[in-house]
Amino acid sequence: EAQVTQNPRYLITVTGKKLTVTCSQNMNHEYMSWYRQDPGLGLRQIYYSMNVEVTDKGDVPEGYKVSRKEKRNFPLILESPSPNQTSLYFCASSLKGTDTQYFGPGTRLTVL
Amino acid sequence: AQTVTQSQPEMSVQEAETVTLSCTYDTSESDYYLFWYKQPPSRQMILVIRQEAYKQQNATENRFSVNFQKAAKSFSLKISDSQLGDAAMYFCAFSPLAGEKLTFGTGTRLTIIP
Repeated sequence: EAQVTQNPRYLITVTGKKLTVTCSQNMNHEYMSWYRQDPGLGLRQIYYSMNVEVTDKGDVPEGYKVSRKEKRNFPLILESPSPNQTSLYFCASSLKGTDTQYFGPGTRLTVL
Repeated sequence: AQTVTQSQPEMSVQEAETVTLSCTYDTSESDYYLFWYKQPPSRQMILVIRQEAYKQQNATENRFSVNFQKAAKSFSLKISDSQLGDAAMYFCAFSPLAGEKLTFGTGTRLTIIP
């Protein structure tokens, strides 16, 4: 089954404790992206990757890191999480950036 | 930078009626892509419809159609014969031709009244 998986689905952590949210797709997509969703703000792009080893900032990259060492994986790293990073996070992939994006199920992150 | 505006935070419609959700965008590009995504209570993001700006014909998908007005930079979504399963948040999104950044609007919450 074609899908985008994210782990964990829910995470509660404390300020400053490094964490990684994994994202994996099995569709051989070149394009992958991370978004955060906050009430009243819609989805905002954090980082995107057009292909392996190619990543670039979206609209809200501060406090986040990404890497794309393999085509299928695109982890999101919060090296020192803060409460303002409490949000719902989505990973997405597509064949190209202009194609339909396939979204993961979301990760609800709470930073205390 | 592109911006996408959805001016209706909430809308409601009677079951079986027709509703139109508004979306406007701002860009200096001449070619681009526009999308409507649906997010039901399950939080899963689902593509509803996709429009290529260079195509004059409005995209349709079953009960869903768009009114794409390129000069006015408007991209509204019409849902015909509304069903209870259409209740969701709807997001309008813009992608430039190169497909690098995707910009979403703030969403419209649609309620279906039985």
